[in-house]
This record gives sequence, C-alpha cells and structure tokens, in this order.
Amino acid sequence: DAGVIQSPRHEVTEMGQEVTLRCKPISGHNSLFWYRQTMMRGLELLIYFNNNVPIDDSGMPEDRFSAKMPNASFSTLKIQPSEPRDSAVYFCASSLTSGKGRVQYFGAGTRLSVL
Amino acid sequence: DAKTTQPPSMDCAEGRAANLPCNHSTISGNEYVYWYRQIHSQGPQYIIHGLKNNETNEMASLIITEDRKSSTLILPHATLRDTAVYYCIGKTGANNLFFGTGTRLTVIP
Repeated sequence: DAGVIQSPRHEVTEMGQEVTLRCKPISGHNSLFWYRQTMMRGLELLIYFNNNVPIDDSGMPEDRFSAKMPNASFSTLKIQPSEPRDSAVYFCASSLTSGKGRVQYFGAGTRLSVL
Repeated sequence: DAKTTQPPSMDCAEGRAANLPCNHSTISGNEYVYWYRQIHSQGPQYIIHGLKNNETNEMASLIITEDRKSSTLILPHATLRDTAVYYCIGKTGANNLFFGTGTRLTVIP
C-alpha cells in the first residue's frame, strides 16, 4: 500500500493567495483527518470526515479555511485568502473505524510558507 | 480522552533498550493507549497500541500496568534512526489524537 499521499510537499505563496492542499487516504479507510503543526501549538486537529461527511470542524481556525471530501479517495483543504500566520506543516491522516482500536496513518505532510 | 504525562527528554545509548514512560492516571476503561513517533520533518508514525494486555510488534513492546494508570514503550535495541519525539496518547473512538508535547528521545552513538 502506498500509504496516505499528500501534495504538494512544499508550497510557497504570497499573502492573499488561495492555497489548496490535497490528500489521498489509504484505500479502504473511511475516516480522514486534517492536522496542522506549528512550533507554538504543536499538532492540532482541524477537521475530520467519516464516510466522506464532515463530523467535527471545530478546529478549523476561521472561515478562510474550508475542507471537502468529494469521494472516498480524495480530500482537499483550502485556505482563501492565505495569511503569514497560516505557515505550518499540514498533515492528512486516515483510519478504518472498525476493528481493534482505530489507528490513524499519516501522510508526509505539506509544508506551507505564506510570505 | 485521557490526559497523558511524559518526560520531555531522554537519552539512550545505541544498542541498548529505550524505555519511555507515560502516565495516564485518568484513562477510562475503554480507552486505548497509542504510541506514535515523529522523526524530524516527517509525519507522525504509528508504533503500537493496547488496551489492557501487553503488546509486542516488530517495532516495540508496550507494557501497561495492571491498574492502567501508566505504560512503558520499549524499543529493545535502539538505533540512531530511533531518535525522534515519542507521543503517548489515550483515545476512545475515531476522533482526533491529542499529541501533547511528547518525549524527545536521543540515541547516542
């Protein structure tokens, strides 16, 4: 299995621009999670989906952030307009919500720099 | 989710066993204990998880005390590539993992 695939690995953009991060979960997994990691706040959950439906988006910082999961194999996290404080590493994770425990497997992340 | 407490840092000599402790005194009966690690600039990597019984896999062993208030992750023969931040997490369902600050393990040659 290829694991969770995120793209791009690095993104550099200017303040005010739209940024779209992409995630392909592990095939067969039915839950998908978006996390953000910064030095100040560590790893924090932004939103998670179960069976393509957003379940908890309480971690989404503000209306500039939106996430979609149009099908079981693809999700996007969009920031519009981007700001320098959005600079962080964004991780996507997926899991199967059945069986012994619910292990989340993480992608390699997208390092976002907003200038 | 149970609050977990870990030492901020530990050193281990290469080839020796690394024993990483975690306190989770508020863990509930149906909460699993998960361990992840994060090597610099990489995504968190799942290591092992358990509920009541000790667990072992190809990466590590997990020892959970009988009262489930604490656990120890054991890397039997630490290598330089095991240098990472190790996170102990208590979790019930499919919700988020609260990573905390973890233990920074440094394996010394």
